[in-house]
Amino acid sequence: GAVVSQHPSWVICKSGTSVKIECRSLDFQATTMFWYRQFPKQSLMLMATSNEGSKATYEQGVEKDKFLINHASLTLSTLTVTSAHPEDSSFYICSARGIAGSSYEQYFGPGTRLTVT
Amino acid sequence: QKEVEQDPGPLSVPEGAIVSLNCTYSNSAFQYFMWYRQYSRKGPELLMYTYSSGNKEDGRFTAQVDKSSKYISLFIRDSQPSDSATYLCAMSKSNAGNMLTFGGGTRLMVKP
Repeated sequence: GAVVSQHPSWVICKSGTSVKIECRSLDFQATTMFWYRQFPKQSLMLMATSNEGSKATYEQGVEKDKFLINHASLTLSTLTVTSAHPEDSSFYICSARGIAGSSYEQYFGPGTRLTVT
Repeated sequence: QKEVEQDPGPLSVPEGAIVSLNCTYSNSAFQYFMWYRQYSRKGPELLMYTYSSGNKEDGRFTAQVDKSSKYISLFIRDSQPSDSATYLCAMSKSNAGNMLTFGGGTRLMVKP
């Protein structure tokens, strides 16, 4: 099956610094990537949808200047949490959909756990 | 009210039991229904996908959709300890790349 990787899997940063998370589709080209946030024992909340070569579409309530998303190639999308604060600590998961993919054919990465101290 | 409701559990069953997981939803525009399994600290893994109403079986898993009641189910037969995970239902309004709306997830524990 299609494989999506995320890097890093776990990161601790100090308040006020920025953190970049990478999402890669390893064996397919992903025209669309999705970024989710998940708090402990809660479901996935969609943050933004990014299409290769265009600006990301952010969900209501998500600060686009704080969560910078770049989808520069068909295999890589990045999420940068700028000026991180402790309340940004969460599990961030990306998913990717291929060129001919249907809505259900989203392949999820293993997630990145961010802890802001 | 959330668009998709799911009992958070935890649901604890003995090994070999039949497990029933359910979601209800409020938006009749949903047509595509998915079940994901998520192990702790891992990303979700697609288990089953169903379009519109009906049943779909895959090994020990059966997915049912009742659009008239806005109710979907996932049945797991002969449950195993390795089935212990959080199960998330998700749904979409179209097949053309629309976003997924997730339920809150049900935590399942299968005891040996």
